[in-house]
Amino acid sequence: NAGVTQTPKFQVLKTGQSMTLQCAQDMNHEYMSWYRQDPGMGLRLIHYSVGAGITDQGEVPNGYNVSRSTTEDFPLRLLSAAPSQTSVYFCASSTGAHTGELFFGEGSRLTVL
Amino acid sequence: AQKVTQAQTEISVVEKEDVTLDCVYETRDTTYYLFWYKQPPSGELVFLIRRNSFDEQNEISGRYSWNFQKSTSSFNFTITASQVVDSAVYFCALTLLDSNYQLIWGAGTKLIIKP
Repeated sequence: NAGVTQTPKFQVLKTGQSMTLQCAQDMNHEYMSWYRQDPGMGLRLIHYSVGAGITDQGEVPNGYNVSRSTTEDFPLRLLSAAPSQTSVYFCASSTGAHTGELFFGEGSRLTVL
Repeated sequence: AQKVTQAQTEISVVEKEDVTLDCVYETRDTTYYLFWYKQPPSGELVFLIRRNSFDEQNEISGRYSWNFQKSTSSFNFTITASQVVDSAVYFCALTLLDSNYQLIWGAGTKLIIKP
């Protein structure tokens, strides 16, 4: 039972570099989302998707891009990394959209120097 | 605007003590959902409970219980006879039925259970 799989678990970038955080789920969930977690701030929604081909912005979308070409995959792209994007990123999926139980990946710790 | 407040940043108790984590929410909507999630030291986030605004029944699951009171806009979480494995950060979250798929998260309460 893989659930939600995120890669990589750790990444160090230099300012200005780009990268993609991968997220895949094998539960056939329509709803997927990306959060960032910063100390003392809880989780903040970056982008979400309610199905293949449909994405939308969350609370803090600037500097990030997403796509949803399949039900299973929901990659998060950092276009030009900045130190302010140093954070822990979580991918989550749900069968019940935002009102349902969220299944989270293990998280990806990103450091931007 | 919606808001979730977890005023207790950190709580430390000795094993076997009971402990209550507070969650106060703000919303003007009548249909909403409240959640608790657990984040153990390993880092993953684990769903604990969901409650909708029309169901004020308290819930008990083993040593865990939840007290939902609309009159005080609170959804508190109590662990009875705490154990070291309960040590984690606990998050309370709120979403509205018509919220553009946004969950509003509290800042979390770090619970430390000492042996």
